[in-house]
Parts: sequence; C-alpha cells; structure tokens
Amino acid sequence: GAVVSQHPSRVICKSGTSVKIECRSLDFQATTMFWYRQFPKQSLMLMATSNEGSKATYEQGVEKDKFLINHASLTLSTLTVTSAHPEDSSFYICSAKRLAGGNEQFFGPGTRLTVL
Amino acid sequence: DAKTTQPPSMDCAEGRAANLPCNHSTISGNEYVYWYRQIHSQGPQYIIHGLKNNETNEMASLIITEDRKSSTLILPHATLRDTAVYYCLTPHTGTASKLTFGTGTRLQVTL
Repeated sequence: GAVVSQHPSRVICKSGTSVKIECRSLDFQATTMFWYRQFPKQSLMLMATSNEGSKATYEQGVEKDKFLINHASLTLSTLTVTSAHPEDSSFYICSAKRLAGGNEQFFGPGTRLTVL
Repeated sequence: DAKTTQPPSMDCAEGRAANLPCNHSTISGNEYVYWYRQIHSQGPQYIIHGLKNNETNEMASLIITEDRKSSTLILPHATLRDTAVYYCLTPHTGTASKLTFGTGTRLQVTL
C-alpha cells in the first residue's frame, strides 16, 4: 500500500514552453501533497505544500507564478513549470500524506526535467 | 524542526548490520524521529519512525536514546540494494509535518 506515481518520469522541452507533472496517490487518499526539487548532488528542497481544494503554500524563494500547483482531488496534484528555462532543469519529486492517519510521507519516483 | 546531524558517509560489508547514527539534541517532546532513504535517481523511501520507544519493522530497527537526543537506524543484514543516502528527520508536528532534508549519510554496502 501507499504507492505514489508520477508522470512523466522524464521530459525534455524547449526553453519557453510549459511542462505539467502529475502526482497521484494510487491506493490511498492524500490530505496533503508536497513538491520537492533536487539538483544534482544536492539534497531535496521543499518547494510547496498543497492541500486538496485550497491554494498551495510556497516556500520562500519559490515563485508561485512560475510553478503552478493544482490539487483538484484527494488523489491528484499537478505541478506546471511555466516558461521553463535551462536553470529549471532538475529532478522534481512529489510526496503525499494519507488522509487516514500517520504523518509519514510517501514519495513518488520523481520526474527528470531537462530544458534545452 | 530540530536540527539533525549525521555522518556524511559510511561503509558496511554485505551481510553485516549497518548502524547509522543521528544526533538531534534539540528535539522537543512532541517531535518524532523519521528515517527515509534515497537510492540513486529515485524518490525517497520511508523506512521507520518513532517517538521514544524503540521500533522495528520489516526493513529496520530504530533505537532512540532515553533522553531522545540521538537515535540509531539499524539495518540488520545489509545487502548491496541498501546502498543509498539515509536521512534522519524530526518534522515539527505543527507545520503540516514538512520535511527538511539535510545531507544525510551515504551508506555504501560492499561485497
């Protein structure tokens, strides 16, 4: 149980385009989903926290207009990187907390974004 | 979150127990200790968590000192697949349990 999927697993796009990444909790409902970014040889950095049906809370230094988060249901959150640039190339990882108890987060496999 | 300190790297022979330490001397009474690991190019994997009692599951054991200022994650019989970066975290319960990842311990399991 507690499986989280991400789609796509990797994406290459041109500079200036937008890319949408989906995060789904497959076998549980998630109250809260989190989005992280990880650059090579660095640790995960939390970008934002999203709760179903409400606006996401962004960490300091993360542009909310550039990284659009939508959490439309208890099993799906999306991150859209708008007007992507090469410096946005990174490993994007989502996680989810169960609606029914427990504070542990279950992570997706990550999405490797490369902006040319 | 309480600050955590972990050694940057450790080696362990396959089949032996891997004991990964974590110092969290400023932990407060309601903060749990969580352990995750990240295998290269994958998302982190939840391992175990505890408050003050020792815990064991199918993956590992967690030993928390009586004063709760430090803990040890034990992988009883390490395999090559356990090679990963291991993170010790103490999320504050009042902040939606946000996880702040440090640099963790890179565990290398060798033949």
